[in-house]
Amino acid sequence: GENVEQHPSTLSVQEGDSAVIKCTYSDSASNYFPWYKQELGKRPQLIIDIRSNVGEKKDQRIAVTLNKTAKHFSLHITETQPEDSAVYFCAASKNTGRRALTFGSGTRLQVQP
Amino acid sequence: KAGVTQTPRYLIKTRGQQVTLSCSPISGHRSVSWYQQTPGQGLQFLFEYFSETQRNKGNFPGRFSGRQFSNSRSEMNVSTLELGDSALYLCASSLSQGNTGELFFGEGSRLTVL
Repeated sequence: GENVEQHPSTLSVQEGDSAVIKCTYSDSASNYFPWYKQELGKRPQLIIDIRSNVGEKKDQRIAVTLNKTAKHFSLHITETQPEDSAVYFCAASKNTGRRALTFGSGTRLQVQP
Repeated sequence: KAGVTQTPRYLIKTRGQQVTLSCSPISGHRSVSWYQQTPGQGLQFLFEYFSETQRNKGNFPGRFSGRQFSNSRSEMNVSTLELGDSALYLCASSLSQGNTGELFFGEGSRLTVL
């Protein structure tokens, strides 16, 4: 089955700096790659996603890049703010008509004010 | 529009007991998925239901089961509880039928097995 590896497990940055979280996946049939943010004690929420026919997608301060050849995708957060502090999960799924996400192990991002 | 509602939010059981968790999806959402979240294993897919049919099942033992009703509400059941079943169980609903699109998670049911 699919395996998603996520690095780093923890990341501490100064407010205003950029943060990058990287994921690799194993199944070349995967075609959908969402990122979820989970604040402490809260539910996971989608922040951005990318499909395999696109190499990059941006939404204000966040962006995701996808390298299908290397089976690698990354989340980039620019101008980090304290409210960006949370656990971020990458995930992958393939087009089987069924909804089953394989999640990475998560990255705890701490933005120091 | 109301979000995904899960009940109960917290529960404590002892080994060998069984538990039933409930999930009410967002109105109009017909797909309901369940995930187990633990500090060690992260978020793991349990199963997905669409139109009362289980469409996909993760790699969990048969003690874990679920169902979906005609109003899209879903329940999951864990029988013969083990200590390792202690986790946050998250339900998520979605509008789309395929594998893409946003999952809307509930706040979860936190199960503690003693």
